[in-house]
Amino acid sequence: DQQVKQNSPSLSVQEGRISILNCDYTNSMFDYFLWYKKYPAEGPTFLISISSIKDKNEDGRFTVFLNKSAKHLSLHIVPSQPGDSAVYFCAASVGGGGADGLTFGKGTHLIIQP
Amino acid sequence: DTGVSQDPRHKITKRGQNVTFRCDPISEHNRLYWYRQTLGQGPEFLTYFQNEAQLEKSRLLSDRFSAERPKGSFSTLEIQRTEQGDSAMYLCASSPTGKAPQFFGPGTRLTVL
Repeated sequence: DQQVKQNSPSLSVQEGRISILNCDYTNSMFDYFLWYKKYPAEGPTFLISISSIKDKNEDGRFTVFLNKSAKHLSLHIVPSQPGDSAVYFCAASVGGGGADGLTFGKGTHLIIQP
Repeated sequence: DTGVSQDPRHKITKRGQNVTFRCDPISEHNRLYWYRQTLGQGPEFLTYFQNEAQLEKSRLLSDRFSAERPKGSFSTLEIQRTEQGDSAMYLCASSPTGKAPQFFGPGTRLTVL
């Protein structure tokens, strides 16, 4: 039973446009959410996080939105750049991880086209 | 470089052999995690240390898997009697206590022949 779902295996976006990556979760105990970016043969790189007490967090070109009632979060990348092409993972935890670690989705492969 | 480091980066072994991986976390982080990632999946949580105490190990995949963090600094993950199904990327992450991101190392790619 997948508690974190990323329903789009891949997404293609033109350079300069907005990329929107979506994530749904089922566990209402999750209170901390993160996005990671991963290149082949490397470990995940932390991008941005949000606590459940907020509904938006921004860091440069990256913004994460959290809709707790819908159990949905999204990552917006504006403007999209060629270096953003990678696999993006949504992750969630209770209290920052601890004994439950992070629960990850299966990832969305973002392709930025010139 | 003060990030999380893992050694080796790649390991090829024959079925039935034992393997051990090492992880050096970010120095001020007291939490250390091990994950496994297989093709097409997100990382899967295996075990967790708070300083030298292993506070969660029920998610280790079988009793062939064990982990240690003897002095609360580096950690090792051992797989005994490896099987072909153990072939995967093994990732280590560290974080400070509380709601803080986990920072991952580059991973160890294990291939069991």
